[in-house]
Amino acid sequence: GESVGLHLPTLSVQEGDNSIINCAYSNSASDYFIWYKQESGKGPQFIIDIRSNMDKRQGQRVTVLLNKTVKHLSLQIAATQPGDSAVYFCAERATGNQFYFGTGTSLTVIP
Amino acid sequence: KAGVTQTPRYLIKTRGQQVTLSCSPISGHRSVSWYQQTPGQGLQFLFEYFSETQRNKGNFPGRFSGRQFSNSRSEMNVSTLELGDSALYLCASTADRVYGYTFGSGTRLTVV
Repeated sequence: GESVGLHLPTLSVQEGDNSIINCAYSNSASDYFIWYKQESGKGPQFIIDIRSNMDKRQGQRVTVLLNKTVKHLSLQIAATQPGDSAVYFCAERATGNQFYFGTGTSLTVIP
Repeated sequence: KAGVTQTPRYLIKTRGQQVTLSCSPISGHRSVSWYQQTPGQGLQFLFEYFSETQRNKGNFPGRFSGRQFSNSRSEMNVSTLELGDSALYLCASTADRVYGYTFGSGTRLTVV
């Protein structure tokens, strides 16, 4: 089956610093990727997505980078704020439009 | 526009019992997917329904079942509950089954 993994289960950053969350995926045929943010007691929320024909996409304070050669995805958060503290998941869309999620990285922002 | 609504939010059941969880998708969304979330396994895909038909199914035992109604609302049922079924069950809907899903807040099931 598919697998999506995260390099680090936890990440702590100082407020104002940039955060980088990494994700490895296993299926080279996956054509679409999403980053989700999940706050305590809530369901995952869409942050940003990227298609496999792109290598970079920027949103508001967030950037997703895709390296298909090594099957690696990263989420960069600029000027991290306390409200960014959450668990972040990457997801890949594999065959049959089925999404597979990683176990998540817990980001803690230190004021 | 209302989001994905899951009921109930919290549930405590005893081993051997059965449980039914409900999900109302965003209006106009015809695809509903269910996921089980546990600390050790992350988000595990249970099944997807589209226009009342099960389209995909994850690797869960037959005790886990679901259905979708004509108004796109979906229910999932777990029979003969086991302690290991304790988890957050998330429902997600999408309009086109192509791009990202919108998740509900989940139902926290505790089996004692």
